[in-house]
Amino acid sequence: EVQLVESGGGLVQPGGSLRLSCAASGFTFSDHYMDWVRQAPGKGLEWVGRTRNKANSDTTEYAASVKGRFFISRDDSKDSLFLHMNSLKTEDTAVYYCARVVSGYILGTAYYYYMDVWGKGTTVTVS
Amino acid sequence: QSVVTQPPSVSGTPGQRVTISCSGSTSNVDPNTVAWYQQLPGTAPKLLIHRNDQRPSGVPERFSGSKSGTSASLAISGLQSEDEADYYCAAWDDSLIGYVFGTGTKVTVL
Repeated sequence: EVQLVESGGGLVQPGGSLRLSCAASGFTFSDHYMDWVRQAPGKGLEWVGRTRNKANSDTTEYAASVKGRFFISRDDSKDSLFLHMNSLKTEDTAVYYCARVVSGYILGTAYYYYMDVWGKGTTVTVS
Repeated sequence: QSVVTQPPSVSGTPGQRVTISCSGSTSNVDPNTVAWYQQLPGTAPKLLIHRNDQRPSGVPERFSGSKSGTSASLAISGLQSEDEADYYCAAWDDSLIGYVFGTGTKVTVL
């Protein structure tokens, strides 16, 4: 069964740090780009960032709201994804989801990008 | 504040057809493809539609997607009580170099 399981959430003070983990199983983790998405209480979904796969040098991109504070890494030998969160703010309070990505180009121009597998999420409270 | 907008809410009676609009721009919805996600209360999002109009296996045929220019739509035909959820459109944004979710639409079955 294809599965993603997040862990590491908790209560942290403003300015603190936290590392979230996402354990993948049931698919070839190293083949896929992986994303983090968050949802603040009562709010919509917000993309946090992504890591490409090894074939694309594991490069990363981040949302402007977290750039310079959050970092994504992966350990393909352990089928694991990580979100390193620093300088946390109260507005970072949210449920954090990891998600498997499918992406590519149609006819060389239109970029398709979507998340086909999601974890159940882990809650981070900054207070 | 998202650059992709959706109506906050849509409602319908069982069996009715409802549509949810998704308005983006020339850096996200057009030229890239749109995905739709369904989030049932208290659960993680689930992929509903990808590449504008493609349903993953297991998604009922009553869900359909379309796109024209900078706008996309999700239609639910034969609305059922279990369709009561939040729905989000999303696309890659070439200017932001990031993935953008729509503002989300709550579907209520009356």
